[in-house]
Amino acid sequence: KNEVEQSPQNLTAQEGEFITINCSYSVGISALHWLQQHPGGGIVSLFMLSSGKKKHGRLIATINIQEKHSSLHITASHPRDSAVYICAVREGIGTDKLIFGTGTRLQVFP
Amino acid sequence: DVKVTQSSRYLVKRTGEKVFLECVQDMDHENMFWYRQDPGLGLRLIYFSYDVKMKEKGDIPEGYSVSREKKERFSLILESASTNQTSMYLCASSRRGVLYEQYFGPGTRLTVT
Repeated sequence: KNEVEQSPQNLTAQEGEFITINCSYSVGISALHWLQQHPGGGIVSLFMLSSGKKKHGRLIATINIQEKHSSLHITASHPRDSAVYICAVREGIGTDKLIFGTGTRLQVFP
Repeated sequence: DVKVTQSSRYLVKRTGEKVFLECVQDMDHENMFWYRQDPGLGLRLIYFSYDVKMKEKGDIPEGYSVSREKKERFSLILESASTNQTSMYLCASSRRGVLYEQYFGPGTRLTVT
């Protein structure tokens, strides 16, 4: 069983739809990251959170530490949001290494 | 802005060749990482360096070695390339500590024939 699991693996949406991507983890963590990878490879960090909720533009990330679960929401989705979204966790406080989920591939159609 | 650069975007090598992948970061980060990314498997850590000349094995170090002689540069070496090392290789860097995110390079797509 993977320590970090994402769902769904693939997601298609029409422009304007509200999108939710889920991440569950089985280890104790000090932080959770949401990353975005566009075709071509480059990965950028969207959020780093250890509690509560963060918002940046149309993106919202939430985390429930007790339930070991995080969600990434995209409001008013747009074709340029099409990418792979990756959840990663930092296990405990003694390491700077991350454990990655396998990613959710999102395609938003006009 | 943090910049992480990798020496090549695409590389084709033959089985048995020695391959060098280089990564350079310009933000004086202590930590540097080498990952490989394969479909369905996500990113897997090959090696991690937390300081000059310091390294730690990741989840899949077999067949790889690394070198960090200067703080800004972290090299991944495939001593004798094999076809199962065909993959996307990503380098990242970060400051040391819980509060800091990792910054990724653009990736090198390596094909071993």
